[in-house]
Amino acid sequence: KQEVTQIPAALSVPEGENLVLNCSFTDSAIYNLQWFRQDPGKGLTSLLLIQSSQREQTSGRLNASLDKSSGRSTLYIAASQPGDSATYLCAPRYSSASKIIFGSGTRLSIRP
Amino acid sequence: KAGVTQTPRYLIKTRGQQVTLSCSPISGHRSVSWYQQTPGQGLQFLFEYFSETQRNKGNFPGRFSGRQFSNSRSEMNVSTLELGDSALYLCASSFSLPAGTEKLFFGSGTQLSVL
Repeated sequence: KQEVTQIPAALSVPEGENLVLNCSFTDSAIYNLQWFRQDPGKGLTSLLLIQSSQREQTSGRLNASLDKSSGRSTLYIAASQPGDSATYLCAPRYSSASKIIFGSGTRLSIRP
Repeated sequence: KAGVTQTPRYLIKTRGQQVTLSCSPISGHRSVSWYQQTPGQGLQFLFEYFSETQRNKGNFPGRFSGRQFSNSRSEMNVSTLELGDSALYLCASSFSLPAGTEKLFFGSGTQLSVL
């Protein structure tokens, strides 16, 4: 069974810190992996998408890396801001036609 | 460009009733997928449609069904509602399937409460 685990489940840090969110998946044969952000009661916003052939993707203060061999992805957030407070979910897809599987998310709180 | 639109935003039903939720994808997007989100189970995949054909289906009972129209708009239906169907139902669209490099774009969801 393909499973996705995100650690930690919750994280609270002061503003300005750099932080890393972790995602692990049981099947390393992924097609691509997305990181999403969700604000309370809202839909998801795709932050970064990494193809299986890529090692990382960057967008502004965000950097996502992918290590298929170890079944891990990390989301690095630089110089965190209160507006970064949200739940972050990782979601691998295992083939071009397969469903996306979501992790349970990391609830991030940035203290001013 | 308008985003993914889901209607209604909130819905209250009673057990045994049925409900239909609607999703209008971003213009030009041909793939629509549906998800159920609850505090206990997290985000779970319901089904995915591309060009009016169901391409994938999650592990939900037959009370959950969906369809996609020729204009890519999609509806999902839940019959004989149960208390456990209370959830946020999210719809997402992408340009094409196989998805390849395309990101998913989500709507704001329909919050369904079953009393």
